[in-house]
Amino acid sequence: QVRLVQSGAELKKPGASMRISCKSSGYFFTSYYIHWVRHAPGQGLEWMGVLNPSDGATTYAQHFLDRVTMTRDASTSTVYMDLSSLRSDDTAIYYCARDYAIEAFTDAFDIWGQGTVVTVSS
Amino acid sequence: QSVLTQPPSASATPGQRVSISCSGGSSNIGTNTVNWYQHLPGTAPKLLVNSHNQRPLGVPARFSGSKSGTSASLTISGLQSEDEADYYCSSWDDILNGPLLGGGTKLTVL
Repeated sequence: QVRLVQSGAELKKPGASMRISCKSSGYFFTSYYIHWVRHAPGQGLEWMGVLNPSDGATTYAQHFLDRVTMTRDASTSTVYMDLSSLRSDDTAIYYCARDYAIEAFTDAFDIWGQGTVVTVSS
Repeated sequence: QSVLTQPPSASATPGQRVSISCSGGSSNIGTNTVNWYQHLPGTAPKLLVNSHNQRPLGVPARFSGSKSGTSASLTISGLQSEDEADYYCSSWDDILNGPLLGGGTKLTVL
């Protein structure tokens, strides 16, 4: 069964950093790009960026360029998303999602993680 | 944050047909295809219709997508109570050089 399993909820103070993990199983890890999308309260879904698990190459959305870092550990089929200088408006549910296409970066995501709730509050 | 524009809410009764719109521009919907997702509270979003108007395995045929110019629509025929959810569109954006997602539409089945 194809699955993405994310790490648990986070409570952070403003200015802190966070790391969320996304562990893949049930498919060949390096064949599908992994995206990160967040859903803030009262807002729509927001694409944050994408990582190619094959070589670790990344593309980040302009909005997050100076604060986000995406990495992977191929030995454990896990992708990580680090977000620094957290603010209250970073409070959201963060999802990792697998690209629909094989070995390509598209705009469709077919498998999603369960989501990680992040709360940023003093 | 730029988003594709969707109506915040829609409603219909069981058995009816309902359409949800998604409006964009020349850098996204105008030149690229559109995907649709269903998001039930407490669960992960689910791909309903992909860029080639295909439905992943298990998605009923009553869900369909269409596009005209810089707008797109998701149509649900024979509405069922379990269709009550939030629906999002997405399209590749040539300026963002990545996916652009809609603001979401909350569908209520009356």
